[in-house]
Formats: sequence, structure tokens, C-alpha cells
Amino acid sequence: AQSVTQLGSHVSVSEGALVLLRCNYSSSVPPYLFWYVQYPNQGLQLLLKYTTGATLVKGINGFEAEFKKSETSFHLTKPSAHMSDAAEYFCAVTFASGAGSYQLTFGKGTKLSVIP
Amino acid sequence: DAGVIQSPRHEVTEMGQEVTLRCKPISGHNSLFWYRQTMMRGLELLIYFNNNVPIDDSGMPEDRFSAKMPNASFSTLKIQPSEPRDSAVYFCASSLKGEQFFGPGTRLTVL
Repeated sequence: AQSVTQLGSHVSVSEGALVLLRCNYSSSVPPYLFWYVQYPNQGLQLLLKYTTGATLVKGINGFEAEFKKSETSFHLTKPSAHMSDAAEYFCAVTFASGAGSYQLTFGKGTKLSVIP
Repeated sequence: DAGVIQSPRHEVTEMGQEVTLRCKPISGHNSLFWYRQTMMRGLELLIYFNNNVPIDDSGMPEDRFSAKMPNASFSTLKIQPSEPRDSAVYFCASSLKGEQFFGPGTRLTVL
């Protein structure tokens, strides 16, 4: 079975500081990994994804994440936080659930606050 | 591409009434997912379809909830009768291979 653990339900950073949101996963098969962002009163939007190949993936808005198989981690980072980054972030892992379909397992989310 | 379309965006109803939420997935996607999001329970998968066939409905909370996908371009989630604890934001998402695209959600309030 697959699972995702996001460490820290709330993270606060100062504007301009490094953003680090942690995600660990468990999967019995090679995973596809995702980070989604949800702004207030909106749906989830894909930030970035890892499928195969390069383990450092870059996404929108200056975010990136690195797949580390040995640590079963997929942490999300951004060098310098901006006020507009305040949102909730979800890590997810997907697996083939039969009949050609793929089901996402989401973490519980991390709410990021950016302090001016 | 218009993305995943959900309607209505907001729904306010009284306890006991029937509620129908609608979703139009992205053209060409073969999987459709219904989620519910609340402060207490976070994001929960209710049911998903693959090629219009329900694959896993284990997340549907009760028999009051039902979902259909009569064709590749339309799905409904129905609650009958509705209860105040059903108040939540309901998201529809569609996918082709792994990556899911979410709609804007329907905010349901049951009084």
C-alpha cells in the first residue's frame, strides 16, 4: 500500500527566506510523485511532478523538489519566499490501481504562511 | 482547454433536500475522481471512475451518496437526503495517466 506523510501541518517563513516543505512516501512500486498547491477558495493546482529521469524537478513559481529514493523523500523547496506563496501544499503519490487507472494518495497538507 | 468544469460553484440547501453536483472532465481523460474537503477530515476520495465505470466507491460515506458517469464527458454526484454534516467543498478531478487536474470545486452548505 502507498502512503504519504507531510511533516508539519503549518509552516511559517519570513518573506525572502527559504521554503522547505517535507514529504515522505512509502510505495511498493516505483512511484510517481506530485506536489499540488491550493490557494484559498480554489481547487488544487499542480506545482510539479516526478515520473522518471532527473531526480531534481522544477515547477511553477520557482519551486523545485528532489526525489531521493534512499530516503523515500520528495521535499519541496523554494529559495526565497514571496507573500503570494501563502497557500496549502499537498504531496501525493500515484500508483496503478488496475484496469489502466491511476489513483492518487494525498498527504494531509501543509499550510504555508509567509510573514512580511 | 477549459479544464475541469464543475457546477454549481456554490449551493445552499436545507436538510433533507436532494443535491446534485455536476462535473465535466477534460476531453480525452479516461479517469474521473470525486473528492470532498473539510477542515476536520481534509481531502477525501469519495469515488473514481475509469472509462466511465466505477472502480472504487469505498470512500462514499453512506447510501445517501451516489455517483454516475453516463458518458465520457459528464458525471454527477448526488446526495439524497442531504444533512448538515455533508457541508463541504466537493472537487472533481480528471486524469489520463497519473496527473490529476482539479476543478474549482462546489461549496455545499446544508442548513
